Amino acid sequence: AQRVTQPEKLLSVFKGAPVELKCNYSYSGSPELFWYVQYSRQRLQLLLRHISRESIKGFTADLNKGETSFHLKKPFAQEEDSAMYYCALSGSSNTGKLIFGQGTTLQVKP
Amino acid sequence: KAGVTQTPRYLIKTRGQQVTLSCSPISGHRSVSWYQQTPGQGLQFLFEYFSETQRNKGNFPGRFSGRQFSNSRSEMNVSTLELGDSALYLCASSTNRGGVNSPLHFGNGTRLTVT
Repeated sequence: AQRVTQPEKLLSVFKGAPVELKCNYSYSGSPELFWYVQYSRQRLQLLLRHISRESIKGFTADLNKGETSFHLKKPFAQEEDSAMYYCALSGSSNTGKLIFGQGTTLQVKP
Repeated sequence: KAGVTQTPRYLIKTRGQQVTLSCSPISGHRSVSWYQQTPGQGLQFLFEYFSETQRNKGNFPGRFSGRQFSNSRSEMNVSTLELGDSALYLCASSTNRGGVNSPLHFGNGTRLTVT
């Protein structure tokens, strides 16, 4: 079965500390993985996708097929990073169907 | 460009009634997807429409249906409402160019409360 697991409901760190939001997936194939973010009072929006292999707002994520993981990392957290982060999986290209994890709230304290 | 627009923002209905939610995608986007968001189940995929055809469907009962018009606007309908249908319903649009998963652009959602 296709499944995305984000083990932490809440991750609280201090400003300047490294951040790692965990995401594990279950899928028998070659999925596409995404991170979506929802800042307070804003819409859910794409943060990054594994096929782009880019850094957005200092965040990176590497797809590890052996460990079936797609953890989101940032070396130095900023207060404006506080938000809800969702890991999502797509089993095929050219589709609007995503399997979302339960989400992790990142709280960056001053 | 205007973002994805969902109307209404809030709805209160009673059990047994039916409801219709509307979504206007970003101009030029032909794919519209619907998601249900609840505290217990999180974000769950309902269905996707592309060029007026349902392209994908999630695991929801037949009471949940949708359609897409020629201008790409979409509606979803829930009949015989149950208390458990109370949720935030999100619509997302994308270009979905062939062979590449285009980003989903989400609306603000419609908050449905069933009493």
